[in-house]
Amino acid sequence: DARVTQTPRHKVTEMGQEVTMRCQPILGHNTVFWYRQTMMQGLELLAYFRNRAPLDDSGMPKDRFSAEMPDATLATLKIQPSEPRDSAVYFCASGSDGGDEQFFGPGTRLTVL
Amino acid sequence: SQQGEEDPQALSIQEGENATMNCSYKTSINNLQWYRQNSGRGLVHLILIRSNEREKHSGRLRVTLDTSKKSSSLLITASRAADTASYFCATDANDYKLSFGAGTTVTVRA
Repeated sequence: DARVTQTPRHKVTEMGQEVTMRCQPILGHNTVFWYRQTMMQGLELLAYFRNRAPLDDSGMPKDRFSAEMPDATLATLKIQPSEPRDSAVYFCASGSDGGDEQFFGPGTRLTVL
Repeated sequence: SQQGEEDPQALSIQEGENATMNCSYKTSINNLQWYRQNSGRGLVHLILIRSNEREKHSGRLRVTLDTSKKSSSLLITASRAADTASYFCATDANDYKLSFGAGTTVTVRA
């Protein structure tokens, strides 16, 4: 049963700390997306990759956020330094060329104190 | 920024009734998708309708698309308690990017 996995599922940290979230896309998928979900802003696209190349990260605060795909099986989203306003659920999703559907992971619930 | 706007924000119905929610969007699209999110979970794709289609069915789901009005509707027939969730429309304007609406929260009462 292929699915997107994300770690950790929950993270509580203090302001100023570095946070790294990881995502394993479905094997064979070549597009990867990072979203952030909050009550106030809803679902926002932060960044997306195609064939491991970043295509759009315009939704991401550049000064503190960074997204990478070290290899085809791993995508990372880092926040350094973290701030309380970064508290949200972060979702990773993957898809395949020629396909329109995105498959979402279970999310990482981040709380920054 | 959100392109899609769902209406209503919340909906409460009795089991067995139909649930209808609407989505309006602003720009031209390649396709429009509906996703479901159960509390504390990730989103699950329900159905996709392309810009040249007007209606599509999948099980108890029926989606319509009116590109002239830039709107779509999702109908869930014969609702069940398990349909309790938030429903999001998402528009694909180009290159796989999806813009999600704020969602409709549906509660199905037993």
